[in-house]
Amino acid sequence: DTGVSQNPRHKITKRGQNVTFRCDPISEHNRLYWYRQTLGQGPEFLTYFQNEAQLEKSRLLSDRFSAERPKGSFSTLEIQRTEQGDSAMYLCASSSGTGGSGNTIYFGEGSWLTVV
Amino acid sequence: KQEVTQIPAALSVPEGENLVLNCSFTDSAIYNLQWFRQDPGKGLTSLLLIQSSQREQTSGRLNASLDKSSGRSTLYIAASQPGDSATYLCAVDSSASKIIFGSGTRLSIRP
Repeated sequence: DTGVSQNPRHKITKRGQNVTFRCDPISEHNRLYWYRQTLGQGPEFLTYFQNEAQLEKSRLLSDRFSAERPKGSFSTLEIQRTEQGDSAMYLCASSSGTGGSGNTIYFGEGSWLTVV
Repeated sequence: KQEVTQIPAALSVPEGENLVLNCSFTDSAIYNLQWFRQDPGKGLTSLLLIQSSQREQTSGRLNASLDKSSGRSTLYIAASQPGDSATYLCAVDSSASKIIFGSGTRLSIRP
């Protein structure tokens, strides 16, 4: 069990550029979550995958955001035409579970995005 | 719509004191509730998970309770230490697909 891995850990980009973050969940976990967190706030839900299916997507996720989880393994979160308001830490988490029950959620160390 | 509130937003206590952090949620139909710790600039570390059928969970100096009917959970930390300084977050799972977090309590333990 190597934990949840996120890359890159830090990204500085110019406004208008596209960025992509990758998340490698714990291998046997079927559930994967993306959150966004700004200073002094709790994580805000962005999207949820169960295996390869994206089952839930927050209204916070504008058309510029897209997430994928091909083959139910790693996931990518892409932000197109970045804006300064996108600056935040993007957190990935994974867990196992079936139906309505859930187990402990494990988070990665996060990917910091700074848009200048 | 599930909303999670944590009060106080910040707390400072001297080392050795016992303390309680509070979490409240608006929709009592939950599957579980988790408490997390977050150090500055880091990801979240799970501390305790309480399933909806449980009333409390304990791990070392930590004890978390859950009262679904009143929409409340508490995290009790015994004999606090400077190393306990961090932000503590509670998260409610009421749909499995969308786990909602509170804004956290920033805890500072004074030596």
